[in-house]
Amino acid sequence: AQTVTQSQPEMSVQEAETVTLSCTYDTSESNYYLFWYKQPPSRQMILVIRQEAYKQQNATENRFSVNFQKAAKSFSLKISDSQLGDTAMYFCAFSQRASGGSNYKLTFGKGTLLTVNP
Amino acid sequence: ETGVTQSPTHLIKTRGQQVTLRCSSQSGHNTVSWYQQALGQGPQFIFQYYREEENGRGNFPPRFSGLQFPNYSSELNVNALELDDSALYLCASSLPGTSDTQYFGPGTRLTVL
Repeated sequence: AQTVTQSQPEMSVQEAETVTLSCTYDTSESNYYLFWYKQPPSRQMILVIRQEAYKQQNATENRFSVNFQKAAKSFSLKISDSQLGDTAMYFCAFSQRASGGSNYKLTFGKGTLLTVNP
Repeated sequence: ETGVTQSPTHLIKTRGQQVTLRCSSQSGHNTVSWYQQALGQGPQFIFQYYREEENGRGNFPPRFSGLQFPNYSSELNVNALELDDSALYLCASSLPGTSDTQYFGPGTRLTVL
């Protein structure tokens, strides 16, 4: 079974500084996708960034970037110039074809609660 | 463009009752997935609907069932509610051909007493 592990239950960072959230995953699949989602107290799950496993180049979205190490099955998220609005629970997720189906399902880690302090 | 919407926002039921949760997918999205998120945990995949049929299911009992309608909206039905069914239920939709990327609604908070 595919698993996603986030080893940091909580982290904090000062406003304007950089923080890195860790994620490892386990799969025997060769074709998959990785995501970081953000869930603020409003509980809406917001897509932050997407990485295709067959692409070596690390994805970047403005202040958010990933370090994707396929051999090590590692997928960390770096947030630069942290802002107060970045305070949220961050989930790492792995996307694979659903059992018995032709489409994809998401497998999530347990999340990392990030607090940005003023 | 309208995002994924869910109703109701909150719901309180008693053990043994039945509940129906509703989801309207984002414009143009034809695949809908449902997830259960217990307090302090990551979401867990319940099932997915595509072309009005179940297209993949997670480790949930048959009392969790669903429907998808021609306009791609969806319902999640849970029969014989148990206390452990208390959770945030999230609906996510995706575009044809890019179902790896899912966009979530705000969720329905279900409390079973």
